[in-house]
Amino acid sequence: GAVVSQHPSWVICKSGTSVKIECRSLDFQATTMFWYRQFPKQSLMLMATSNEGSKATYEQGVEKDKFLINHASLTLSTLTVTSAHPEDSSFYICSASGRSGGDTQYFGPGTRLTVL
Amino acid sequence: AQTVTQSQPEMSVQEAETVTLSCTYDTSESDYYLFWYKQPPSRQMILVIRQEAYKQQNATENRFSVNFQKAAKSFSLKISDSQLGDAAMYFCAYGQNFVFGPGTRLSVLP
Repeated sequence: GAVVSQHPSWVICKSGTSVKIECRSLDFQATTMFWYRQFPKQSLMLMATSNEGSKATYEQGVEKDKFLINHASLTLSTLTVTSAHPEDSSFYICSASGRSGGDTQYFGPGTRLTVL
Repeated sequence: AQTVTQSQPEMSVQEAETVTLSCTYDTSESDYYLFWYKQPPSRQMILVIRQEAYKQQNATENRFSVNFQKAAKSFSLKISDSQLGDAAMYFCAYGQNFVFGPGTRLSVLP
């Protein structure tokens, strides 16, 4: 149980385009979803937290107009990187927590974004 | 703000031996959760073990156990009978807002 999928697993795009990453909880209802960014050989950096039907809460220093987060249902959250630039290239990971799991977060497999 | 420290950037252990990874944290809360996650080369984050602060009993999951010292704000992970598949980055995390430590890279030597 507690499986989270993420799509796509990797994406390459041109500078200036937008990219959407989907995060789905497959076998539980995710009341809260989280988006992280991980640079090579570093820890996870929380970007934002979203609750179903509410606006996302962004961490300090994260541009909410660049990283659009939508949590439309209890099983789906999306992260859209708008007008992507090479410095946005990174590994993006989503996680989800649900009522039954308490505070435990279950992670997706991640998406590697490369902006040319 | 909460902080999480892992003082060992890298550790190694011989296969079948025991290794302990350290984690300390800082918080003013009295009720919280602590986690250890494993990130193998695939980069999939995998929950290893979870501890609720109000429980005095140390959590155990098969070969993995923790030594939770609430007063000292210490939360170490012990891996017994280490296996080659245990090689990974290990992150200690403080919940609810999930502050992650910098990680410890564990190598398992055959």
